[in-house]
Amino acid sequence: GAGVSQSPSNKVTEKGKDVELRCDPISGHTALYWYRQSLGQGLEFLIYFQGNSAPDKSGLPSDRFSAERTGGSVSTLTIQRTQQEDSAVYLCASSPGELGREQYFGPGTRLTVT
Amino acid sequence: KQEVTQIPAALSVPEGENLVLNCSFTDSAIYNLQWFRQDPGKGLTSLLLIQSSQREQTSGRLNASLDKSSGRSTLYIAASQPGDSATYLCAVPQGAQKLVFGQGTRLTINP
Repeated sequence: GAGVSQSPSNKVTEKGKDVELRCDPISGHTALYWYRQSLGQGLEFLIYFQGNSAPDKSGLPSDRFSAERTGGSVSTLTIQRTQQEDSAVYLCASSPGELGREQYFGPGTRLTVT
Repeated sequence: KQEVTQIPAALSVPEGENLVLNCSFTDSAIYNLQWFRQDPGKGLTSLLLIQSSQREQTSGRLNASLDKSSGRSTLYIAASQPGDSATYLCAVPQGAQKLVFGQGTRLTINP
């Protein structure tokens, strides 16, 4: 079946602009995760959804970052007033939701803030 | 706080060799450990998932072992091929769900 998809694959934006990144999880997966991969920090967790609620937002780096999930499916990560340090690859993953289950990752969105 | 370390950071070997990648973690209270592969400019591909009750897991030429008590996992790659060249990442859940990743081992297999 189809895997996790993300759009856009690449995004170049000017400093100060807002951006929206989209994630379509594997059908039927109730858990959805956002991670960020940057050269200096490696792969770091941002936020976790179970259904439409986000029980763990502990990785969001500032209040400029927000995310939502609707219909237990698609999720959008929004970054307001982008800064150069936001430049990274944003990865989305999904899993069936039960503890101990495998996470499946999408191809990522490469964000460049100029 | 869970911390994950991978050794070595980079490895270059000739084609055909068997090799071992190492992963260590600080908190042994884990549900599972997952090994991923990442090709340049791509997302993560899951290779193997070892549950906390398991000692090892095999897929083709890959074998992953887990020793929870010592906080270690190894990924064994048999008869390496140039197509195995990639960055290999291990990850463990912190708490119930979110993954904590190591920095990865960049593997190059030379023809």
